[in-house]
Amino acid sequence: EIVLTQSPGTLSLSPGERATLSCRASQSVSSRYLAWYQQKPGQAPRLLIYGASSRATGIPDRFSGSGSGTDFTLTISRLEPEDFAVYYCQQYDKIPKTFGQGTKLEIK
Amino acid sequence: EVQLVESGGGLVKPGGSLRLSCAASGFTLSYSMNWVRQAPGKGLEWVSSISSSSDHIYYGDSVKGRFIISRDNAENSLYLQMNSLRAEDTAVYYCARSPPQDAFDIWGQGTMVTVSS
Repeated sequence: EIVLTQSPGTLSLSPGERATLSCRASQSVSSRYLAWYQQKPGQAPRLLIYGASSRATGIPDRFSGSGSGTDFTLTISRLEPEDFAVYYCQQYDKIPKTFGQGTKLEIK
Repeated sequence: EVQLVESGGGLVKPGGSLRLSCAASGFTLSYSMNWVRQAPGKGLEWVSSISSSSDHIYYGDSVKGRFIISRDNAENSLYLQMNSLRAEDTAVYYCARSPPQDAFDIWGQGTMVTVSS
């Protein structure tokens, strides 16, 4: 099983700042099969990034993904109030299709 | 509008069974489909996946042998039959669509399953 470890667990920032979220895999993941999701309280997850760096439909360009192998990053260039949420990475390269434990992005 | 709507959740005793449904609208169910769950206050856990023609089916270890995923493309519906339920199966269950070899791009709103005596 590929274990995904996200860091930090909680990130406290202010609107307008830049956020950098990390996702590290226990073994190499094809970048073709790494995704990032955003989840707000009481809502279903929303796909942000697929294929490590491609934005999903309707996702603002302040969200970007990068990385390869075992290290992947989600960057939010300038935080908007609506960006404060929990973010999950997921690999869908191998079964089981594992998720990271999540990073909570909170307002400082 | 492209939409997934889950139903069938509820309160069930340990050892009991429950069948979840997921109705698709706004698109034909010619995609791989998935179930993902989230225990209260916890992260996301992949449960099961089924290919568009049901020829490839996969389960997470925690549900293997107890849960059965199925689909009816004519009815545009996905199902999860959950047997021998345990307290640790308590969670919100989401269905999600995935294009071939791709991420989960459409999610339902979830249905709550509570396993308790």
